[in-house]
Amino acid sequence: GAVVSQHPSRVICKSGTSVKIECRSLDFQATTMFWYRQFPKQSLMLMATSNEGSKATYEQGVEKDKFLINHASLTLSTLTVTSAHPEDSSFYICSAREWTLQDGYTFGSGTRLTVV
Amino acid sequence: AQSVTQPDIHITVSEGASLELRCNYSYGATPYLFWYVQSPGQGLQLLLKYFSGDTLVQGIKGFEAEFKRSQSSFNLRKPSVHWSDAAEYFCAVVGSSNTGKLIFGQGTTLQVKP
Repeated sequence: GAVVSQHPSRVICKSGTSVKIECRSLDFQATTMFWYRQFPKQSLMLMATSNEGSKATYEQGVEKDKFLINHASLTLSTLTVTSAHPEDSSFYICSAREWTLQDGYTFGSGTRLTVV
Repeated sequence: AQSVTQPDIHITVSEGASLELRCNYSYGATPYLFWYVQSPGQGLQLLLKYFSGDTLVQGIKGFEAEFKRSQSSFNLRKPSVHWSDAAEYFCAVVGSSNTGKLIFGQGTTLQVKP
């Protein structure tokens, strides 16, 4: 089945630095990728939708200048957390969708970001 | 706007007992519905999905779900729970639109007693 690889699985960074998280679809082309944020014992909150070759669409309340999303190819989307602060510490998960809704969504294994 | 409600935040069942996790959705047209399972610190695994057709959907790991339009529900069931089923379960909905945004419920934590 479809596989999405997300790296790194865990990262610790200093406050004020930037962190890049990669999301790759390994055996299919993902026209659309989604980025979620999950707080402990809570649900997934959609941050943004990215379509290959176009700008990402951010959900209300998500700072687009802090969470930079790039979807340069049909197999790779990246999320860069810029000037990270402790409140950005969270679990970030990406999801990729194939051509149609009925193809379903495949999720990466997530990235635990800790900002110290 | 689309929304999903999982009324039960936490459920505890004994191993071998049956299980039902509730999910109610809000969407004007026929929704696309999903159930996912998440183990601690992991991503999400698809258990089953409903798009159309037979309203009783079979999934992996012995799970099934039934779409009931009249009740706006898509409850997940399993006849006999195993200790390895302990995890977080999420119901999700997406409208049949081009945005394709998957909206998640709050999640239900399943604890299995030996």
